[in-house]
Amino acid sequence: GAVVSQHPSWVICKSGTSVKIECRSLDFQATTMFWYRQFPKQSLMLMATSNEGSKATYEQGVEKDKFLINHASLTLSTLTVTSAHPEDSSFYICSPDRGQLGAFFGQGTRLTVV
Amino acid sequence: SQQGEEDPQALSIQEGENATMNCSYKTSINNLQWYRQNSGRGLVHLILIRSNEREKHSGRLRVTLDTSKKSSSLLITASRAADTASYFCATGPDSNYQLIWGAGTKLIIKP
Repeated sequence: GAVVSQHPSWVICKSGTSVKIECRSLDFQATTMFWYRQFPKQSLMLMATSNEGSKATYEQGVEKDKFLINHASLTLSTLTVTSAHPEDSSFYICSPDRGQLGAFFGQGTRLTVV
Repeated sequence: SQQGEEDPQALSIQEGENATMNCSYKTSINNLQWYRQNSGRGLVHLILIRSNEREKHSGRLRVTLDTSKKSSSLLITASRAADTASYFCATGPDSNYQLIWGAGTKLIIKP
């Protein structure tokens, strides 16, 4: 069964609005959550690492003020794309750090900004 | 479900030696990607090789792809202690986003 629940699975929003993506770890208390972005037929690119109760760590080139990450509990991390623009249209995927248990991914969120 | 499989599951070699990991898959693909994951860190993309390519290089990394055998290999030459990590392959089928992941190879480089 699914161990990571990501919501919504797809969203269309107008340029300038903000979109929140939720990622829930269903059977594992995830101290750390990884957020990735993927363009069509391209690789996953790590955007940021969120840590429960502390600030997220962003990869080089990722705007922290644009991609707000909140990891308020061990089972929930959220990514908010603020003031979205068409170039933010992408596939966003979360993955809790499960250590030796392996890599598990959310279903992904396809964001389209029009 | 995982349709890509890496082997070996674990590999331990001396620093300076070459490390080879293999990945097999089952479906037709658009591309195949290799990632590295250090303990406690996110996946880092290493190389993407497209289905019409046979070999690709990036620094000390060499990736081959044999679509007839549905397999790929990742070679790390002159390994370093910093190469210690888990390595995953992922296949990108014809759809735009979906990736199918292998279980990974845990590589340990002994100094």
